Amino acid sequence: TQLLEQSPQFLSIQEGENLTVYCNSSSVFSSLQWYRQEPGEGPVLLVTVVTGGEVKKLKRLTFQFGDARKDSSLHITAAQPGDTGLYLCAGGPRKPKTSGSRLTFGEGTQLTVNP
Amino acid sequence: SQTIHQWPATLVQPVGSPLSLECTVEGTSNPNLYWYRQAAGRGLQLLFYSVGIGQISSEVPQNLSASRPQDRQFILSSKKLLLSDSGFYLCAWSPTDRTYEQYFGPGTRLTVT
Repeated sequence: TQLLEQSPQFLSIQEGENLTVYCNSSSVFSSLQWYRQEPGEGPVLLVTVVTGGEVKKLKRLTFQFGDARKDSSLHITAAQPGDTGLYLCAGGPRKPKTSGSRLTFGEGTQLTVNP
Repeated sequence: SQTIHQWPATLVQPVGSPLSLECTVEGTSNPNLYWYRQAAGRGLQLLFYSVGIGQISSEVPQNLSASRPQDRQFILSSKKLLLSDSGFYLCAWSPTDRTYEQYFGPGTRLTVT
């Protein structure tokens, strides 16, 4: 069974601070997705990374996939109150053809950015 | 562009009553479809997924069932709800060539009383 551990579970910071959220596993994933979810809504896909060592930037958000494709990080620069939400990472199966379409989700990091 | 709808948005049902949640996708054909359940502020548990009409894979044994009567319609059902069925139910779709990219609907908040 593939598991993804996210840390920290909760994070409360002031506007303007930087932060990093981690997503770790002992398993190899074919892809890694990051989602943001606001209360009462469905998760919104932020980014997909598929190559070991890949780095993607989305405005103030920087996503990195580990070289061994077992872990990922999300770094936010100069956080704003609009960044508040539940951040979820999800890993695609090592062998998608035999494992179907299942994603493994982490338990999430609840981020609160205070004005 | 593709859109995904879920209804109802909220539902309060007594224990032992039946359940039917519906999900439809627009703007794409032959999508993979998924049902998830989410506990408050936590990760997602995959319940069912479907790669085509009438094809359902169940991930966990439970009180729920799923059906896909049309290409872009996915239904989650129960004959008799349990208290433990309460939660936030999310439907998602993915393109068949990029199944790791899943796009979620707005969700249904189910409270079983």
